[in-house]
This record gives sequence, structure tokens and C-alpha cells, in this order.
Amino acid sequence: DQQVKQNSPSLSVQEGRISILNCDYTNSMFDYFLWYKKYPAEGPTFLISISSIKDKNEDGRFTVFLNKSAKHLSLHIVPSQPGDSAVYFCAASYNNNDMRFGAGTRLTVKP
Amino acid sequence: DAGVIQSPRHEVTEMGQEVTLRCKPISGHNSLFWYRQTMMRGLELLIYFNNNVPIDDSGMPEDRFSAKMPNASFSTLKIQPSEPRDSAVYFCASRPVGYSNQPQHFGDGTRLSIL
Repeated sequence: DQQVKQNSPSLSVQEGRISILNCDYTNSMFDYFLWYKKYPAEGPTFLISISSIKDKNEDGRFTVFLNKSAKHLSLHIVPSQPGDSAVYFCAASYNNNDMRFGAGTRLTVKP
Repeated sequence: DAGVIQSPRHEVTEMGQEVTLRCKPISGHNSLFWYRQTMMRGLELLIYFNNNVPIDDSGMPEDRFSAKMPNASFSTLKIQPSEPRDSAVYFCASRPVGYSNQPQHFGDGTRLSIL
């Protein structure tokens, strides 16, 4: 059962533009959401998170938006840079239990 | 600070052989997770431990898979006998238990190829 879904396997954007990565979830009990970034031959690294009591969290060029009624979250990267090219995983958990990951979206930022 | 350390980084072996993957979590982290990454299913949670005790192993695909955490600084994931469909990248991650809303920290994974 895929409780966390990333329906776009890939995304390509031009350097300097906005990248928007989307994620949907089915379990309304989730209360903590995260984005991880993964480069080839490395493990995923934590990027940004948001608690269910918020609808937005910003960290530099990265902003995560949470829409609880739609069970949807998104990651915005502005401006996008070639070094942002990686696979991005959305993840969710509840009550500090184990985390469920989406299948990932491969972002390519073209110079 | 040393991160999560996994070994080996690559493993190639023949079908039917026993495979053992190793993980050393970050010191002080007492929650440990094993994941498998495949093209089709992304990152799947296999099993996780809190304070060396297995909490949820519902993601372990078959009885051929087993995991242990004999102490706070070491865990193994064993596949016996291995099959070609077990080929994947296996990740270990750790996190402090008891802290709410903490991200997991991942190792660089073991790329397993079963011929």
C-alpha cells in the first residue's frame, strides 16, 4: 500500500526558474512530513520538514507547503540551480513512528 | 561526526549464497531502520528497531530475510538464500528515539547484485 505517492517520476526545469515537486498521501494520521534529496551513489539526505500544525516552512531557496484537506504537500525551489539536480523523496510519519517514502522524483535543472 | 556507516558498499554474489549487510548507526541514535530501494517501488521500509528491539518487521519480504541488532552500535540484514530479485540498494538509517519529529540519517547504502 503506497501511503505516500509522488506521481511525477521526473521533472526538468531551466536554471533560475522555480521547481515544484508534488506529493500526495492517504493516511490522515500523518503529522510530520519531510523532503529528502538523493545524489547517485549516496544515501538520501534530509532537506526540509513540516509539522501538520503548519502549512508552510521556508529554508532559504526551499519552501514546503502542506495542504491537509487535500492531503498534499509540495516542495518549491527558487531559484533552481544545476546543483539541485537529484532525486527528491517525500516522506511522512505519525506519532514519531516509522517513515513512509514516496517513489521519488528525479529533478534535472538545465543550465 | 561520523554518519551512518554501511558495509560493504557493493556486493555481487551468486544466487543461493548467503548475504550479510552491516550497519553502524550514529552514536547516540537508538532507533535504526533498514530500507530497500528499487526502481519499481522506491524506498521500502523493511524493519526498524528501537533500543535494539525490533518494532515492526512487516516490510520484510520473506523468511529468507532476517535482521538483528545485538547492540546499540551494530545491526545486520541477512538474506539466505539470495535470489536475483533481491538485487537492489539497501539503506540503513538511524535517529534518536524519544525525540519527536526528528529526521532519519541515512548511510550511503549497499548495492547488492545477485547473479
